[in-house]
Amino acid sequence: DTEVTQTPKHLVMGMTNKKSLKCEQHMGHRAMYWYKQKAKKPPELMFVYSYEKLSINESVPSRFSPECPNSSLLNLHLHALQPEDSALYLCASSQAGAGNTIYFGEGSWLTVV
Amino acid sequence: QKEVEQNSGPLSVPEGAIASLNCTYSDRGSQSFFWYRQYSGKSPELIMFIYSNGDKEDGRFTAQLNKASQYVSLLIRDSQPSDSATYLCAVRPGGGADGLTFGKGTHLIIQP
Repeated sequence: DTEVTQTPKHLVMGMTNKKSLKCEQHMGHRAMYWYKQKAKKPPELMFVYSYEKLSINESVPSRFSPECPNSSLLNLHLHALQPEDSALYLCASSQAGAGNTIYFGEGSWLTVV
Repeated sequence: QKEVEQNSGPLSVPEGAIASLNCTYSDRGSQSFFWYRQYSGKSPELIMFIYSNGDKEDGRFTAQLNKASQYVSLLIRDSQPSDSATYLCAVRPGGGADGLTFGKGTHLIIQP
């Protein structure tokens, strides 16, 4: 089973709202990732968690706040977003270590109005 | 700057023929290489991964890696219309870094 579950699948939020995207995996993976993908562009890495600790932040604006409550869950808290933040947000997970495969969830489509 | 380069296409291939997708990467320390297929409006789906020089076959798919030339390719035999999608080459670095660096993707069209 290589399932990464993301909720919600679609989210529309205003620029003053606070919302969260959620991601869950039960494969025992110890590395989890957030990617952002705009239309007709490849996914761009935002954050990496390794053993529940933030290991990489790719200079993401503070209006995006990641959280890893435990080894199975990954959240992305959203606040004061801009319309240009509208995109597909992808969660992924893998075993820790460079030789391991990264599996993606189905993504959350975010529209900021 | 770590870069992964792909021809964006579209690459048009007749049904039943072999589709050949190519990718080059700049970081010589890269350790693992992946091909993802992405249909419009969907998330990337893993097709193949390869770590060692040479060929790796899985059904109709063959991945080829040449680390000396910093080159990765994906061959799709007996191409089907359902293979029409964007194919993303992705590279995972070594040396303690993590996450994937993606190429821009090649849009493949299989013509019935």
